[in-house]
Amino acid sequence: DVKVTQSSRYLVKRTGEKVFLECVQDMDHENMFWYRQDPGLGLRLIYFSYDVKMKEKGDIPEGYSVSREKKERFSLILESASTNQTSMYLCASSALARGSTDTQYFGPGTRLTVL
Amino acid sequence: DAKTTQPNSMESNEEEPVHLPCNHSTISGTDYIHWYRQLPSQGPEYVIHGLTSNVNNRMASLAIAEDRKSSTLILHRATLRDAAVYYCILRDVNGGADGLTFGKGTHLIIQP
Repeated sequence: DVKVTQSSRYLVKRTGEKVFLECVQDMDHENMFWYRQDPGLGLRLIYFSYDVKMKEKGDIPEGYSVSREKKERFSLILESASTNQTSMYLCASSALARGSTDTQYFGPGTRLTVL
Repeated sequence: DAKTTQPNSMESNEEEPVHLPCNHSTISGTDYIHWYRQLPSQGPEYVIHGLTSNVNNRMASLAIAEDRKSSTLILHRATLRDAAVYYCILRDVNGGADGLTFGKGTHLIIQP
């Protein structure tokens, strides 16, 4: 069974803290994604990566950075957390470039609260 | 990606079939129709996808109109565990690797 795991289900941090959200997939997928989900706004893409050490900005990259040192692991970093980054963060992975019928597999999400 | 339109919510009874519609009048010839769903407090999960022909898998069926401007996700016998938000998404097979564009989806309510 395919599996995407995220390091925490719930996280509470203070404004200004550096926050790391970790995502691991065990399917040997090339592509990995970070989204955030907010009520009324749906899912929005923050960053994605199609290979180790490669990254591409999504729709809302400001205030975030990412790291992909190994194929199975994709980290989202909030350099200095702010209250407007309180959200549900979802990681996903997929096997193929979109030049095919790619399917994305999602993790359970991390609900981050920034106080 | 081309735009899709879905009803905000639908209600059905347990153990009855559910038909979830999606309109995509600007679909292009290279767009696949994908369906995902998101159960409460979980990440989205893939349900089914198709191009032109109707598709069946263990979770659902996908019926695609002949002109491809609409499609219907069919849950043959809904259970309480099918209560979720269902998203219809178009994916261009010629596009590069990038994220999914989720709309607001249809909130499916199942009554016992």
